[in-house]
Amino acid sequence: KQEVTQIPAALSVPEGENLVLNCSFTDSAIYNLQWFRQDPGKGLTSLLLIQSSQREQTSGRLNASLDKSSGRSTLYIAASQPGDSATYLCAAVDSNYQLIWGAGTKLIIKP
Amino acid sequence: DAGVIQSPRHEVTEMGQEVTLRCKPISGHDYLFWYRQTMMRGLELLIYFNNNVPIDDSGMPEDRFSAKMPNASFSNLKIQPSEPRDSAVYFCASSTSGGRENYNEQFFGPGTRLTVL
Repeated sequence: KQEVTQIPAALSVPEGENLVLNCSFTDSAIYNLQWFRQDPGKGLTSLLLIQSSQREQTSGRLNASLDKSSGRSTLYIAASQPGDSATYLCAAVDSNYQLIWGAGTKLIIKP
Repeated sequence: DAGVIQSPRHEVTEMGQEVTLRCKPISGHDYLFWYRQTMMRGLELLIYFNNNVPIDDSGMPEDRFSAKMPNASFSNLKIQPSEPRDSAVYFCASSTSGGRENYNEQFFGPGTRLTVL
């Protein structure tokens, strides 16, 4: 059974720093992996989707990597800003096209 | 496109009442998903549809929960009778199975925050 873990559960960094959020999964047979952002009391916004055949995807200051062999994905945020404060969730898409969710990392960027 | 639309955004009801949550997926998307999010359990998939047909409802917690998708542009999730432990945020998401780019990327609605007293 696929399990997705995100560590740490919370992270606080000063504005301007580069940071990495981690996501690990137990079964490498994933279809793809998706990173989301959730603001307090709001819905989920898709940030990046990495196909199983890809190693990374980039969008603006965000870069997500995928290493299926080690069961890991990372989300790199460059030059962090207070507006990046949110909860970041990763989800692995299994062979049944279902999203298996991590518990999220709550990120706080201090001005 | 307006994105996935959910209504109502907030619902407060009393235990025992019927609750109906509604979702309009993005036009052209052929997959629709219902999720529930709580602090204790995180995001849970309740049921999903493909081309209006329920594919997997194994996540539906009890017979009190039911979902239908009468056409490609509408789905509802009903809870009857509702209980306090059903209090959660319910999300609807849709995706498309076609195309090489963004295959199966799910787009979420804003959610319905349900409180059962």
